[in-house]
Parts: sequence; structure tokens; C-alpha cells
Amino acid sequence: DTAVSQTPKYLVTQMGNDKSIKCEQNLGHDTMYWYKQDSKKFLKIMFSYNNKELIINETVPNRFSPKSPDKAHLNLHINSLELGDSAVYFCASSRGDRPHEQYFGPGTRLTVT
Amino acid sequence: AQSVTQPDIHITVSEGASLELRCNYSYGATPYLFWYVQSPGQGLQLLLKYFSGDTLVQGIKGFEAEFKRSQSSFNLRKPSVHWCDAAEYFCAVTDGNTGTASKLTFGTGTRLQVTL
Repeated sequence: DTAVSQTPKYLVTQMGNDKSIKCEQNLGHDTMYWYKQDSKKFLKIMFSYNNKELIINETVPNRFSPKSPDKAHLNLHINSLELGDSAVYFCASSRGDRPHEQYFGPGTRLTVT
Repeated sequence: AQSVTQPDIHITVSEGASLELRCNYSYGATPYLFWYVQSPGQGLQLLLKYFSGDTLVQGIKGFEAEFKRSQSSFNLRKPSVHWCDAAEYFCAVTDGNTGTASKLTFGTGTRLQVTL
């Protein structure tokens, strides 16, 4: 009965590879987010989707492409991975009418070697 | 642009002692303020939030926070800390926009260590 789940939990890959991280929420929320937490624990928003529509798109390299097949899922695809992409990626969700109350997933630790 | 400062990177307290974690924000209008806790290897859990009204807000796990507009602060407090409170604590701010998505701006976190 996990509210916001992410797969995989850990991902180790080499530079230049393409990888995807998946996120699913069973809270019935309309809005989903991706945040990046760097090695200094700094958290920054990357994207947000509401009902499959891109709402927030921060200054993120276009190697990062979010995809929302339905409002319960928001995946993050990363092309041509670089060392600097190593981080913990958090998915979050919120109700469309209460966007300030965000519920976070457990995170995916991506390590690029 | 909004910003959040958590001046203390690391705090150590004894179990049973009181706790105060500091948070200062920079925002032009009335902010929406949050405290999240991140246990090792876990995601972020919302402890409490302030939108408006009573400036002293109660949260889960016995935590409370007080909004002080004059000091641009939203400090987190707990009267008696338990060993399981050891974690990373993040203060966050967002604006009161009425859109369907909200950007949370986080501080850099305070790591709490609890000694027995």
C-alpha cells in the first residue's frame, strides 16, 4: 500500500548510457513532480506534470525527458548520462487543488561511473 | 526569488533534551512554509506546514514550528528528542499560487544526531 513508489531504488550505470526511472502513486493525485538531490543534499525541482500535462520545467539539460503515460505515473528518462547526473532523484505527488502538500517517494540513487 | 537558509548543518542533542532547528526564508509575500524529515535511505516525510492563521503549528511526531514574520523565520521545535528522531531535516518554502503545481524551494538541511 505504498503511496509513492519508485523503481529502481538504486541504479549504477556508465557514462553515455540511457536510463529510466519510474514513479507511481496510488493516492489519486493529479500532479506529480521530479526533484533532484545532489551530493550536498540540496533538493531542487526539475519537472511537474498535472494530468499528463507538463506544468513546471526548470532549467534542466534536455537529456532529461519526463513522460507521464497517465496521471498515476511519471517516468524520467535520461540520455547520455554524465558523471554530474549522479544524485538521488525523488518523485512526489500532490492533489491538483492542494499543490503545496507534496508526498515524496523513497528516492532513486543514481550513480554514474 | 524565494530562498531558504538553514544555518546549522549539523546538530547533536542528548535524548530527552529539547530541540530547535532554525530556518530563515526570503520571500516577498506571505510564504507557505514546511518542514520535512528524511531518515537515512528514506524519502521525505512532511512534518508540518504553515499557510496562514495561528503562527504556532503542530505537526506529527511531537514537532511544532513557529512562524515569525518579523524575523523571517520558521523554526522547528520539539520538547524532548527521542533517538529515532535522528535524521535530516529540511525546511521548505513556496508561494501561495493557485495553480495545479507548486515549486518547493528547500534549504540545505540540518542533520540531527541524538546521543543516548
